[in-house]
Amino acid sequence: AQSVTQLDSHVSVSEGTPVLLRCNYSSSYSPSLFWYVQHPNKGLQLLLKYTSAATLVKGINGFEAEFKKSETSFHLTKPSAHMSDAAEYFCVVTGSSGGSYIPTFGRGTSLIVHP
Amino acid sequence: GAGVSQSPSNKVTEKGKDVELRCDPISGHTALYWYRQSLGQGLEFLIYFQGNSAPDKSGLPSDRFSAERTGGSVSTLTIQRTQQEDSAVYLCASSLPTDRALAYEQYFGPGTRLTVT
Repeated sequence: AQSVTQLDSHVSVSEGTPVLLRCNYSSSYSPSLFWYVQHPNKGLQLLLKYTSAATLVKGINGFEAEFKKSETSFHLTKPSAHMSDAAEYFCVVTGSSGGSYIPTFGRGTSLIVHP
Repeated sequence: GAGVSQSPSNKVTEKGKDVELRCDPISGHTALYWYRQSLGQGLEFLIYFQGNSAPDKSGLPSDRFSAERTGGSVSTLTIQRTQQEDSAVYLCASSLPTDRALAYEQYFGPGTRLTVT
């Protein structure tokens, strides 16, 4: 079985300050992990993905995430928030090595960016 | 190139009526997923198609929901005798086939917003 927990339903930051969106996962197999972003009234877009290569993954728009197997975490970070980063963020796990091919989505974290 | 498209973008229907939602995946993507997203909620998996294999219907909430995928391309999600709790955004996604070595990213359509009055 696999599961994903996004630890914060809302995160509020000021423009120019760092962003940290937390994600913990559970998987019986070597997982593939993804972060997607959903801007208001838009479809989901891939930010970055981890598929058993480098543990530090860089994505679009300055975001990155680090896969930590010992902590079963895949937290999303960005050094400096921009107003355009305000959106809903979803952490996703898929068990690619024999596990479920059905992606499991976290409940989402709403990022609010203040001027 | 063309992304995933869905139609209609909005659908308002009366309780008890049937509705059909359409998804056109990216050409060459053999995996296709349907999800439901209720207001302020995450994505709820509904059904998964992979090539010619039998679909995984484990997420369908009731027998009023069904889906088809014709010719390995276009998919239609049908909801019969709609209820108010069916109101949500229905998202379709496609991807390259998932194999044991790698899980490919999903490409999402813009969704169909269904409102049942």
